[in-house]
Amino acid sequence: GQQLNQSPQSMFIQEGEDVSMNCTSSSIFNTWLWYKQDPGEGPVLLIALYKAGELTSNGRLTAQFGITRKDSFLNISASIPSDVGIYFCAGQLGRNFNKFYFGSGTKLNVKP
Amino acid sequence: DTGVSQDPRHKITKRGQNVTFRCDPISEHNRLYWYRQTLGQGPEFLTYFQNEAQLEKSRLLSDRFSAERPKGSFSTLEIQRTEQGDSAMYLCASSSDLGSYNEQFFGPGTRLTVL
Repeated sequence: GQQLNQSPQSMFIQEGEDVSMNCTSSSIFNTWLWYKQDPGEGPVLLIALYKAGELTSNGRLTAQFGITRKDSFLNISASIPSDVGIYFCAGQLGRNFNKFYFGSGTKLNVKP
Repeated sequence: DTGVSQDPRHKITKRGQNVTFRCDPISEHNRLYWYRQTLGQGPEFLTYFQNEAQLEKSRLLSDRFSAERPKGSFSTLEIQRTEQGDSAMYLCASSSDLGSYNEQFFGPGTRLTVL
C-alpha cells in the first residue's frame, strides 16, 4: 500500500512552545486530513485540506497542503497540556473517495 | 450525541472464538468505513460501504472477516476463528457523499484482545 512518512515520531516540548510536524509521500494526494487521537479513543478530525498550497487554520492549529501535493504539515502554536496525544496525517489518492492512507503518527508530549 | 458509535468498546475473547462488532454511523452519512489499528501505527483501511453496498475490501480482510451493512445504516464486522494476530483496535468511520468533500469521522473504536 501507499506509505506516508510522518515525522517526527515523538516530541517533548514545554508548554507555550510552538510545534511543527509533517507528512510526506512519494505519491500525489488530492486530500489531506489531520487527526488527533487520545489513548483508547478514535481519531478526531482537526483540519481538512483539499487544494495544493491551501493553508487552513483551526484555532491554534494551522495546516498546509504542499504545492507538490506530496506533503502536508501541521503547526500548533502556544501549546497547552491538553494538546498531548498522537497526531495522524491521512492522505487520499486521486479521485478515490473510498479510503485514506494514514501516517504512523507523531506523539506529542507537553510539559507544564 | 450524533457522532459515530461503536459497540462494544472492549472485547476479550479466546483464540478460535467468533466475535462481532457493531458500528452506528452519523445518521445522514451514507458512507461507512472499517479500519484496523495496531499499537504504534495509524489506522489501516479494511473495507468501505456506500449505503448497503460493500464497494471495496482490503487484502487485509481475510476470509475470516466479514462485514455487512444490510439496510444502509448500521454495520457489523465479524471475525471468525479469531487468532492472536487479530488483537487490535477496530475503528469505524462515516462520511457523506454530498459535495466533493470526504471528511471521515471516527467512532471511539472497539479494542479486541485475543488470548
